[in-house]
Amino acid sequence: SQTIHQWPATLVQPVGSPLSLECTVEGTSNPNLYWYRQAAGRGLQLLFYSVGIGQISSEVPQNLSASRPQDRQFILSSKKLLLSDSGFYLCAWSQVPHANSPLHFGNGTRLTVT
Amino acid sequence: AQSVAQPEDQVNVAEGNPLTVKCTYSVSGNPYLFWYVQYPNRGLQFLLKYITGDNLVKGSYGFEAEFNKSQTSFHLKKPSALVSDSALYFCAVREKTGANNLFFGTGTRLTVIP
Repeated sequence: SQTIHQWPATLVQPVGSPLSLECTVEGTSNPNLYWYRQAAGRGLQLLFYSVGIGQISSEVPQNLSASRPQDRQFILSSKKLLLSDSGFYLCAWSQVPHANSPLHFGNGTRLTVT
Repeated sequence: AQSVAQPEDQVNVAEGNPLTVKCTYSVSGNPYLFWYVQYPNRGLQFLLKYITGDNLVKGSYGFEAEFNKSQTSFHLKKPSALVSDSALYFCAVREKTGANNLFFGTGTRLTVIP
């Protein structure tokens, strides 16, 4: 069966510090991968998605970036965090072809920028 | 353009009573529709999806949803609510033409009162 792992679960970082959140998927190959941010426990905002190694699409311009160095690894990064980057970050994967495939989410990382 | 509306921020229901969480959608073509549940500080869990065929879809934990094309709705239902059903529920839509993204509603917080 497929599983998705996200770490760390919680993170407190000062403004201006770098960020690296990791996500890995097991039990499937060539998945679509996604990073979402959930603010205030409600709406989900798609940040990045990837259909393959090295292929990243950005949905929202900001100081975050994403990389996919391996088929089942997706990394969210920032060189300098802002206060507004605080939130709950969720990684997800879906099967390809994907149109009727649900997204499967990790347990999320709660980031607090102080 | 695709969009999802969940008109109720909060739904309260007594334990044992039927529950309904409302969702309406807007797509230019035929939709794929999904329901997710989120417990505190966790990722979203997939409950059920509508692809085609029978308008009544059955999913996990006794939940079901009814697709109504004329009303562009996909309401989530359960005949008898449990206290453990208390959580945040998200409706999501994707066009069948294969867009990479799922568009999520803003979520409805369900509270089941003992």
